[in-house]
Amino acid sequence: QSVLTQPPSVSGAPGQRVTISCTGSSSNIGAGYDVHWYQQLPGTAPKLLIYGNSNRPSGVPDRFSGSKSGTSASLAISGLQAEDEADYYCQSYDSSLSGYVFGTGTKVTVL
Amino acid sequence: EVQLLESGGGLVQPGGSLRLSCAASGFTFSSYAMSWVRQAPGKGLEWVSAISGSGGSTYYADSVKGRFTISRDNSKNTLYLQMNSLRAEDTAVYYCAKALWSDPSGGMDVWGQGTTVTVSS
Repeated sequence: QSVLTQPPSVSGAPGQRVTISCTGSSSNIGAGYDVHWYQQLPGTAPKLLIYGNSNRPSGVPDRFSGSKSGTSASLAISGLQAEDEADYYCQSYDSSLSGYVFGTGTKVTVL
Repeated sequence: EVQLLESGGGLVQPGGSLRLSCAASGFTFSSYAMSWVRQAPGKGLEWVSAISGSGGSTYYADSVKGRFTISRDNSKNTLYLQMNSLRAEDTAVYYCAKALWSDPSGGMDVWGQGTTVTVSS
Protein backbone atom coordinates (compact mmCIF):
# COMPACT_ATOMS: atom_id res chain seq x y z
CA GLN A 1 0.00 0.00 0.00
CA SER A 2 1.64 3.18 -1.23
CA VAL A 3 1.72 6.50 0.62
CA LEU A 4 1.07 8.26 -2.69
CA THR A 5 -2.49 7.77 -3.91
CA GLN A 6 -3.55 8.02 -7.55
CA PRO A 7 -6.93 7.32 -9.18
CA PRO A 8 -6.95 3.79 -10.63
CA SER A 9 -8.08 5.00 -14.03
CA VAL A 10 -8.89 8.05 -16.11
CA SER A 11 -10.19 8.23 -19.65
CA GLY A 12 -10.77 10.76 -22.36
CA ALA A 13 -11.50 11.14 -26.03
CA PRO A 14 -8.74 11.97 -28.49
CA GLY A 15 -7.87 15.64 -28.29
CA GLN A 16 -9.23 16.07 -24.79
CA ARG A 17 -7.30 17.04 -21.67
CA VAL A 18 -7.02 14.66 -18.72
CA THR A 19 -5.38 15.11 -15.35
CA ILE A 20 -3.99 12.56 -12.92
CA SER A 21 -3.70 13.43 -9.25
CA CYS A 22 -1.09 12.18 -6.82
CA THR A 23 -2.09 12.72 -3.21
CA GLY A 24 0.53 12.49 -0.49
CA SER A 25 1.08 13.88 2.98
CA SER A 26 3.28 16.10 5.11
CA SER A 27 6.08 13.52 5.08
CA ASN A 28 6.48 13.44 1.32
CA ILE A 29 4.99 15.91 -1.17
CA GLY A 30 3.90 18.29 1.58
CA ALA A 31 7.42 18.34 2.99
CA GLY A 32 8.68 19.86 -0.22
CA TYR A 33 10.19 16.78 -1.86
CA ASP A 34 10.14 16.77 -5.63
CA VAL A 35 7.59 14.74 -7.57
CA HIS A 36 8.46 12.86 -10.74
CA TRP A 37 6.14 11.19 -13.24
CA TYR A 38 6.62 8.09 -15.36
CA GLN A 39 4.76 6.56 -18.29
CA GLN A 40 4.75 2.79 -18.71
CA LEU A 41 3.48 1.41 -22.00
CA PRO A 42 2.29 -2.21 -21.92
CA GLY A 43 5.17 -4.66 -21.67
CA THR A 44 7.87 -2.00 -21.50
CA ALA A 45 10.06 -0.32 -18.91
CA PRO A 46 8.90 2.97 -17.40
CA LYS A 47 9.87 6.24 -19.05
CA LEU A 48 10.52 9.52 -17.24
CA LEU A 49 7.91 12.10 -18.26
CA ILE A 50 8.29 14.88 -15.69
CA TYR A 51 11.03 15.51 -13.13
CA GLY A 52 11.30 18.07 -10.37
CA ASN A 53 7.52 18.63 -10.31
CA SER A 54 7.21 20.35 -13.66
CA ASN A 55 10.27 19.80 -15.86
CA ARG A 56 10.17 17.78 -19.07
CA PRO A 57 13.20 15.78 -20.22
CA SER A 58 14.20 16.43 -23.79
CA GLY A 59 12.02 14.54 -26.23
CA VAL A 60 8.89 14.57 -24.08
CA PRO A 61 6.08 16.43 -25.87
CA ASP A 62 4.85 19.64 -24.27
CA ARG A 63 1.39 18.05 -24.13
CA PHE A 64 2.58 16.63 -20.83
CA SER A 65 2.81 19.02 -17.88
CA GLY A 66 3.24 18.66 -14.14
CA SER A 67 2.39 20.76 -11.12
CA LYS A 68 2.53 20.54 -7.36
CA SER A 69 0.57 22.25 -4.60
CA GLY A 70 0.49 21.47 -0.91
CA THR A 71 0.41 17.73 -0.36
CA SER A 72 -0.60 16.87 -3.94
CA ALA A 73 0.77 16.87 -7.44
CA SER A 74 -0.85 16.53 -10.84
CA LEU A 75 0.05 15.38 -14.31
CA ALA A 76 -1.92 16.85 -17.19
CA ILE A 77 -2.08 15.43 -20.68
CA SER A 78 -3.55 17.80 -23.26
CA GLY A 79 -4.47 16.87 -26.81
CA LEU A 80 -4.86 13.23 -25.78
CA GLN A 81 -3.60 10.76 -28.38
CA ALA A 82 -4.07 7.01 -28.80
CA GLU A 83 -0.37 6.47 -28.06
CA ASP A 84 -0.86 8.01 -24.60
CA GLU A 85 -2.75 4.92 -23.47
CA ALA A 86 -0.51 3.62 -20.71
CA ASP A 87 0.01 3.41 -16.97
CA TYR A 88 1.28 6.53 -15.21
CA TYR A 89 3.09 6.69 -11.86
CA CYS A 90 4.13 9.54 -9.60
CA GLN A 91 7.20 9.21 -7.39
CA SER A 92 8.67 11.15 -4.48
CA TYR A 93 10.66 10.77 -1.27
CA ASP A 94 9.06 10.03 2.09
CA SER A 95 10.87 11.14 5.24
CA SER A 96 8.88 8.82 7.52
CA LEU A 97 9.93 5.82 5.45
CA SER A 98 13.38 7.25 4.71
CA GLY A 99 12.98 6.08 1.17
CA TYR A 100 11.56 6.74 -2.24
CA VAL A 101 7.99 5.82 -3.06
CA PHE A 102 5.86 5.37 -6.15
CA GLY A 103 2.22 6.20 -6.43
CA THR A 104 -0.42 3.52 -6.85
CA GLY A 105 -0.53 4.06 -10.59
CA THR A 106 -3.21 5.28 -13.02
CA LYS A 107 -4.30 3.62 -16.24
CA VAL A 108 -5.15 6.11 -18.95
CA THR A 109 -7.62 4.94 -21.58
CA VAL A 110 -8.20 6.80 -24.82
CA LEU A 111 -11.83 6.33 -25.80
CA GLU B 1 24.01 5.34 -26.58
CA VAL B 2 23.11 5.28 -22.91
CA GLN B 3 22.19 1.75 -21.96
CA LEU B 4 21.49 -0.44 -18.91
CA LEU B 5 21.47 -4.22 -19.16
CA GLU B 6 20.28 -6.32 -16.23
CA SER B 7 21.14 -9.95 -15.69
CA GLY B 8 21.03 -12.58 -12.96
CA GLY B 9 17.32 -13.20 -12.65
CA GLY B 10 15.84 -16.66 -12.46
CA LEU B 11 13.91 -19.18 -10.41
CA VAL B 12 14.95 -19.58 -6.77
CA GLN B 13 13.43 -21.39 -3.82
CA PRO B 14 12.07 -19.51 -0.81
CA GLY B 15 14.92 -18.68 1.53
CA GLY B 16 17.43 -18.73 -1.30
CA SER B 17 19.72 -16.04 -2.67
CA LEU B 18 20.30 -14.36 -5.99
CA ARG B 19 22.56 -11.57 -7.22
CA LEU B 20 21.38 -9.21 -9.91
CA SER B 21 23.78 -7.20 -12.04
CA CYS B 22 23.23 -4.14 -14.18
CA ALA B 23 25.88 -3.24 -16.74
CA ALA B 24 25.91 0.43 -17.69
CA SER B 25 27.32 2.04 -20.82
CA GLY B 26 27.27 5.36 -22.63
CA PHE B 27 27.62 7.66 -19.62
CA THR B 28 30.00 8.41 -16.74
CA PHE B 29 28.66 5.77 -14.37
CA SER B 30 30.24 7.11 -11.17
CA SER B 31 28.58 10.50 -11.61
CA TYR B 32 25.05 9.22 -11.13
CA ALA B 33 23.01 7.54 -8.43
CA MET B 34 21.40 4.26 -9.37
CA SER B 35 18.28 2.48 -8.19
CA TRP B 36 16.53 -0.86 -8.34
CA VAL B 37 12.77 -0.82 -8.92
CA ARG B 38 10.58 -3.91 -9.10
CA GLN B 39 7.15 -4.74 -10.46
CA ALA B 40 5.27 -7.82 -9.32
CA PRO B 41 3.06 -9.51 -11.93
CA GLY B 42 0.06 -7.29 -12.67
CA LYS B 43 1.06 -4.78 -9.99
CA GLY B 44 2.50 -1.30 -9.80
CA LEU B 45 6.06 -0.09 -9.47
CA GLU B 46 7.86 -0.51 -6.14
CA TRP B 47 11.13 1.26 -5.37
CA VAL B 48 13.55 -1.24 -3.81
CA SER B 49 16.92 0.38 -3.22
CA ALA B 50 19.21 3.21 -4.29
CA ILE B 51 22.88 4.08 -4.09
CA SER B 52 24.70 7.37 -4.56
CA GLY B 53 27.20 7.88 -7.36
CA SER B 54 30.16 7.35 -5.07
CA GLY B 55 28.56 4.36 -3.40
CA GLY B 56 28.89 6.02 -0.02
CA SER B 57 25.16 6.27 0.64
CA THR B 58 22.61 3.50 0.31
CA TYR B 59 18.84 3.44 0.76
CA TYR B 60 16.37 0.58 1.12
CA ALA B 61 12.64 0.03 1.17
CA ASP B 62 11.40 -1.40 4.46
CA SER B 63 10.23 -4.52 2.62
CA VAL B 64 13.82 -5.52 1.75
CA LYS B 65 15.87 -3.91 4.50
CA GLY B 66 18.19 -6.45 6.13
CA ARG B 67 17.75 -8.93 3.26
CA PHE B 68 18.94 -7.06 0.17
CA THR B 69 22.23 -5.23 -0.36
CA ILE B 70 22.88 -2.74 -3.13
CA SER B 71 26.41 -2.05 -4.29
CA ARG B 72 28.30 -0.73 -7.29
CA ASP B 73 31.69 -1.16 -8.90
CA ASN B 74 32.46 2.11 -10.64
CA SER B 75 35.57 0.60 -12.24
CA LYS B 76 33.37 -1.96 -13.98
CA ASN B 77 30.37 0.35 -14.58
CA THR B 78 28.18 -2.22 -12.88
CA LEU B 79 25.40 -2.06 -10.29
CA TYR B 80 24.49 -5.04 -8.12
CA LEU B 81 21.65 -6.21 -5.92
CA GLN B 82 22.40 -9.08 -3.58
CA MET B 83 19.11 -10.66 -2.53
CA ASN B 84 19.05 -13.05 0.43
CA SER B 85 16.25 -14.79 2.34
CA LEU B 86 14.01 -14.49 -0.69
CA ARG B 87 10.26 -14.74 -0.25
CA ALA B 88 7.41 -15.45 -2.64
CA GLU B 89 6.45 -11.77 -2.48
CA ASP B 90 9.84 -10.83 -3.95
CA THR B 91 8.71 -12.34 -7.26
CA ALA B 92 8.84 -9.51 -9.78
CA VAL B 93 10.55 -7.96 -12.75
CA TYR B 94 13.54 -6.03 -11.41
CA TYR B 95 14.62 -2.89 -13.25
CA CYS B 96 17.79 -0.95 -12.71
CA ALA B 97 17.51 2.76 -13.35
CA LYS B 98 19.89 5.71 -13.61
CA ALA B 99 19.15 8.84 -11.61
CA LEU B 100 19.36 12.31 -13.07
CA TRP B 101 22.00 13.33 -10.52
CA SER B 102 24.63 11.89 -8.19
CA ASP B 103 22.06 11.51 -5.44
CA PRO B 104 18.80 9.59 -5.89
CA SER B 105 16.47 12.53 -5.24
CA GLY B 106 15.98 13.33 -8.90
CA GLY B 107 13.94 11.31 -11.31
CA MET B 108 15.19 8.19 -13.04
CA ASP B 109 15.82 8.94 -16.69
CA VAL B 110 17.27 5.70 -18.05
CA TRP B 111 15.87 2.23 -17.38
CA GLY B 112 16.99 -1.26 -18.24
CA GLN B 113 14.73 -3.83 -19.85
CA GLY B 114 14.30 -5.70 -16.58
CA THR B 115 15.18 -9.15 -15.31
CA THR B 116 12.63 -11.57 -13.87
CA VAL B 117 12.99 -13.08 -10.41
CA THR B 118 10.65 -15.90 -9.45
CA VAL B 119 10.65 -17.22 -5.90
CA SER B 120 8.87 -20.54 -5.74
CA SER B 121 9.34 -24.08 -4.54
